[in-house]
Order: sequence, then C-alpha cells, then structure tokens
Amino acid sequence: SAVISQKPSRDICQRGTSLTIQCQVDSQVTMMFWYRQQPGQSLTLIATANQGSEATYESGFVIDKFPISRPNLTFSTLTVSNMSPEDSSIYLCSVFLREYRETQYFGPGTRLLVL
Amino acid sequence: EDKVVQSPLSLVVHEGDTVTLNCSYEVTNFRSLLWYKQEKKAPTFLFMLTSSGIEKKSGRLSSILDKKELFSILNITATQTGDSAVYLCAVEAAYGQNFVFGPGTRLSVLP
Repeated sequence: SAVISQKPSRDICQRGTSLTIQCQVDSQVTMMFWYRQQPGQSLTLIATANQGSEATYESGFVIDKFPISRPNLTFSTLTVSNMSPEDSSIYLCSVFLREYRETQYFGPGTRLLVL
Repeated sequence: EDKVVQSPLSLVVHEGDTVTLNCSYEVTNFRSLLWYKQEKKAPTFLFMLTSSGIEKKSGRLSSILDKKELFSILNITATQTGDSAVYLCAVEAAYGQNFVFGPGTRLSVLP
C-alpha cells in the first residue's frame, strides 16, 4: 500500500494570493495526479505530474494558474495562483502504485477557502 | 465529449437491503473504469475494471463491467449504516490521463 501525506491540511487565504500544496508519498511512483473537488461536486482531474517532465493539464486547467513541480519520484507540489473565491475546494493528490497498477491511493486532501 | 452518468443520484435504503448502483459512460479510447467510496474528504478506491464480464468482489461489494453496452454496476449486499457515502464512478480514457468522473450516487443506509 501507499501512504500519502499532504500539507497543509487546510488553509484560509486572501484573494489574489497563492498557496502551494505539498504531496509526499512513501513509495516511488512514476505519475502523481492532482484533483480538485469543488463544494458539492465530483472530483475533477487537474493534471498529471510526471517526474522529470512537464505536467500534463486537463482541459480547463493551465500551468500559469496551477503550476506543478515534481522534483523526484516521491514528492510533488501544486500551487494555486492568484486565488479567487472560485478556487475554494478540496485539493487531492493521488497515485497508482508503480508495481500494482490496479490500486489507486489518495492523499487526505487540502481544504482551501479563499475569501 | 467524454461523459460519465451515474444513477440514481441518491438512494435511501434500510440496513440489510441490497443496492445496485449504475454507471454508464461515453469515452474515446477507454482504458478502465474505477469505483470509489467517498465519506468525508478523500475518496477510497474500491475497484478498477478493465475487462468485460469479469466480476470483482471485495466482501459485500462487487462490480462488473460491460464494455459492449458501456456501463458498470456496483452491488452492495446486506447494506450497513457504514456503507452510507457517495459512490463515484470514473473512466480513464488513456493511461494516466483524462479521467472523467460521474456526479456520484449518494447512498444513505438507515438503521
């Protein structure tokens, strides 16, 4: 199994500021995924973070707004830039275990409120 | 446009009942279908289905995929109050990219 931690677990931020969310995995994984869950809605994939290359963003998400770093096989960050109240969401990182493709694990999530 | 539809959107049952949750999809380059249980913040992975007709089971939960008719079902037998959650269905269109999530089915199990 994989143990995933996220920091911070929650934050309240002012409009126009940026927040960087960290995701640490206890296993080496090729890809890490960042999701967003807005209030009352289902999960939406933001991007896939590949170690050693640029992240791949889903439709509707851009690197300038959600820059991602992936410096090694166990760590990734997602930055929510120039925040607005519409960015208030839970942000989750996720991995598939490298050796066991069929199991997906999620971090505990970061609950973000933008005022 | 890729999409995933779940039904019903909400369901209320009593303990001991059996429930069937439905997920239908339209997606190009289908790779897999995934089921999750979400109680609080982070979803819990339940199943990944890639092949038609092969049932996956975990305790009282089971799921099967029909790639011809483009749907999957999640069965929960002998429901318990702890099964109360939102059950999410997602389809993966290509390895590691382009996950599409359904709206979820909110299941409430009453004692």
